[in-house]
Amino acid sequence: SYELTQPLSVSVALGQTARITCGGNNIGSKNVHWYQQKPGQAPVLVIYRDSNRPSGIPERFSGSNSGNTATLTINRAQAGDEADYYCQVWDSSTGVFGTGTKVTVL
Amino acid sequence: EVQLVESGGGLVQPGRSLRLSCAASGFTFDDYAMHWVRQAPGKGLEWVSGISWNSGSIGYADSVKGRFTISRDNAKNSLYLQMNSLRVEDMALYYCAKDLMATIANDAFDIWGQGTMVTVSS
Repeated sequence: SYELTQPLSVSVALGQTARITCGGNNIGSKNVHWYQQKPGQAPVLVIYRDSNRPSGIPERFSGSNSGNTATLTINRAQAGDEADYYCQVWDSSTGVFGTGTKVTVL
Repeated sequence: EVQLVESGGGLVQPGRSLRLSCAASGFTFDDYAMHWVRQAPGKGLEWVSGISWNSGSIGYADSVKGRFTISRDNAKNSLYLQMNSLRVEDMALYYCAKDLMATIANDAFDIWGQGTMVTVSS
């Protein structure tokens, strides 16, 4: 089965840039979606189809996807960006989520 | 307001059954595929099942195939998950999620409910 690997945790200083990677075999050939989940809350879609932002998501959030790695970038990180982040793709008609990354804003 | 509200969770013994429901409002329900995604306590997200707008295409995770059945009633703006032969490892918060598209296996989940907890224990 297809696997998506994310770093367990990422730390970023307030106002700096955080990059969260999502590794998978030839993931560049797939559409990658990213979700933010804060404690006790449902996930929220922050990036879809590699690099598209839903309405209401700040421009500080961006995404890219190439080769074997997709990346979610958070510019000018804020305290409110502290959360778990999950990447997601479809493989053989099965939904696959990444292992999740906890982002801490210092 | 676009909203998904799950119900039907609870405590159930291993081997028993449970039926989850998801009531949708604020959007044209039969224009979109729908999904169930679960999250075990302290763990990550796991896609469980998805159903296309007209129920013509359905998919399941290997972990639930043959035990769970997804269905929808477009007249009632509702999504369901019939869970049979429940196992301890099925214990999780079950989310209902709306797809960006009408078909499954293509796109992202843009609207999520708050989830309903399923506890499997003797």
